[in-house]
Amino acid sequence: SQTIHQWPATLVQPVGSPLSLECTVEGTSNPNLYWYRQAAGRGLQLLFYSVGIGQISSEVPQNLSASRPQDRQFILSSKKLLLSDSGFYLCAWSVGDGANVLTFGAGSRLTVL
Amino acid sequence: SQKIEQNSEALNIQEGKTATLTCNYTNYSPAYLQWYRQDPGRGPVFLLLIRENEKEKRKERLKVTFDTTLKQSLFHITASQPADSATYLCALEPPYKLSFGAGTTVTVRA
Repeated sequence: SQTIHQWPATLVQPVGSPLSLECTVEGTSNPNLYWYRQAAGRGLQLLFYSVGIGQISSEVPQNLSASRPQDRQFILSSKKLLLSDSGFYLCAWSVGDGANVLTFGAGSRLTVL
Repeated sequence: SQKIEQNSEALNIQEGKTATLTCNYTNYSPAYLQWYRQDPGRGPVFLLLIRENEKEKRKERLKVTFDTTLKQSLFHITASQPADSATYLCALEPPYKLSFGAGTTVTVRA
C-alpha cells in the first residue's frame, strides 16, 4: 500500500534561518507531488507541484523553493525564513489519472520567531 | 477571479441530526468536485468525489450533490455522531492544481 512520510512534524526557527522540509512517498511510481501551506484558520494554499523529477511549478511568488531530486522525494526549502512563513505545511501526492485525489502527509508545523 | 466559498460560520448540531454544508464557486468549470475531512493538527483526508454529470453521490452516512448550473455542492452528514466533528473542505480542479475552500468546522453535540 502507499504511504507518505513528512518530517519534521514541528519546528521552531528564528527569522533569517534556513528551512528544509522533506516528504517521501512509498508504494507508487511517478506520483504527482504537492506542497500546500495552511495558515491558522485559513484554507489550503498551493505552493508547489511536481509531475516528475526536476519538474517544479510554483504557484505564488514567495520566499520558498521546492526540489524533487528523486521520483518519490519532494523537498521544501528556504534560505532565509520570514515571520510570514509560519504555518502548517502539508505534502500530498496523487496519481495522474485525471481525478487527482490527494493523499496528504501528517503535516509540519513551522513557527518562525 | 476564481473563488471557492464554504459556510462562513461553524456548524453546531445535535447528535442524530443532519449537517448540511455548502460549497459555492465562481469562475470554475470543474469536471469534478471533491470533499475532504480535516481533524485538528492533521492533514486532510479524502471523502468523496462527484463528477459534473453526477447529481448525487453517497458513501455510508455521507451524501454529496453537485449542481453545475448553480455552481454549488451540498455535503450532508446524516445521523451525525460526535466522531463526525471536524473541518470539512471542498476542492475543485483544474488538474494538478486542486484548489480548496477554507472549510466549515462541524461540531456534533452528544
